[in-house]
Amino acid sequence: LQLQESGPGLVKPSETLSLTCTVSGDSIISNSYYWGWIRQPPGKGLEWIGHMYHSGSTYDNPSLKSRVTISVDTSRNQLSLRVSSVTAADTAVYFCVRVYSSPGAFDIWGQGTMVAVSS
Amino acid sequence: IQMTQSPSSLSASVGDRVTITCRASQSITRYLNWYQQRPGKAPKLLIYTASSLQSGVPSRFSGSGSGTDFTLTISSLQPEDFATYYCQQSYSSPHTFGQGTRLEIK
Repeated sequence: LQLQESGPGLVKPSETLSLTCTVSGDSIISNSYYWGWIRQPPGKGLEWIGHMYHSGSTYDNPSLKSRVTISVDTSRNQLSLRVSSVTAADTAVYFCVRVYSSPGAFDIWGQGTMVAVSS
Repeated sequence: IQMTQSPSSLSASVGDRVTITCRASQSITRYLNWYQQRPGKAPKLLIYTASSLQSGVPSRFSGSGSGTDFTLTISSLQPEDFATYYCQQSYSSPHTFGQGTRLEIK
């Protein structure tokens, strides 16, 4: 099972950050698993962004103040993240994760993709 | 729920027994997970639900605790164990992480 993030490495302030995670080796409609995103600003700790089930149930971090949209494309076996109105504080490595639903543990991680917010 | 790890950093030698503590601001029963992150790499799940060892993780790693206080123990440090360790609660949303414990070679 592999998760691979992709998307622009540079986004301008006030614009929308868009990332895609391609899942290979498993189906995104597997039972027992959610799919989500976590980020890590340079030199700092981990921040949970949110995760969702293929049926549409979504959980996200209220600290991001409704700027986040997570979606799943079951036909492409992909997960997407959109963060609107970005600022420099959104500069981070973004990780795609599989969430083992019952314990809520992030058991599979993508390698991460760095996104910088700068004009 | 706030998660607080101690210590923030730790120096130890190969072969040492090391314990890292994680405290939750309220009871999370046993919904506590531990991760290891090596520099430049994605985190790796070590322990879930406080004490269950993730498949493929060496048995020198163990976890314990319930309620608000938890520990991660490495029984005999190996060179590849020098990394940063994070706890994470999955009891309620938003899922939150501790600030991390950096384990360095003495």
